Amino acid sequence: DAKTTQPNSMESNEEEPVHLPCNHSTISGTDYIHWYRQLPSQGPEYVIHGLTSNVNNRMASLAIAEDRKSSTLILHRATLRDAAVYYCILTDGNKLVFGAGTILRVKS
Amino acid sequence: DVKVTQSSRYLVKRTGEKVFLECVQDMDHENMFWYRQDPGLGLRLIYFSYDVKMKEKGDIPEGYSVSREKKERFSLILESASTNQTSMYLCASSPSRATYNEQFFGPGTRLTVL
Repeated sequence: DAKTTQPNSMESNEEEPVHLPCNHSTISGTDYIHWYRQLPSQGPEYVIHGLTSNVNNRMASLAIAEDRKSSTLILHRATLRDAAVYYCILTDGNKLVFGAGTILRVKS
Repeated sequence: DVKVTQSSRYLVKRTGEKVFLECVQDMDHENMFWYRQDPGLGLRLIYFSYDVKMKEKGDIPEGYSVSREKKERFSLILESASTNQTSMYLCASSPSRATYNEQFFGPGTRLTVL
């Protein structure tokens, strides 16, 4: 399975942008990069995914390096409700292989 | 909105009991998944299913079985529960086999085996 590396934790101030990095140096040409997050006491929820180009949706933006060996999830204005564990995942067929993720803390 | 529901939020069982965890999705998704989540180990895939009566082993299938008799329902079965199966169990579904499909998760069942 392709592996990802994320920082254990990050902290942000409310209303400020947050950049969550992910390294995936062994990514293959057909792997999609997915981001999920898990709020306390809930199941994971999908945030965004991409293959080669940068992607935007209502929740976040995904910036993918040209060589695809790293990516960054961007939350444009962090809120207290964005405090969660964020997982960067490379798809293995239709299977998601979750790592430890990054714990995002948001300070008011 | 896609909804994935799980039969219980909390469940307490005794060692040796047969345990059924039920999951239902309402969006006609083809794929369904069972994960368990433990502190320090993250989410691990137990079993998944691409179609009715189809099942595939995930990364940690030992001690579990599954059943998918109807498209919307995927059951996880612990034939003889043991204390090391105390965990949070999460069910998910996705529309098809395409690798870009997102998975929709249920709220989880916290199972305690005494």
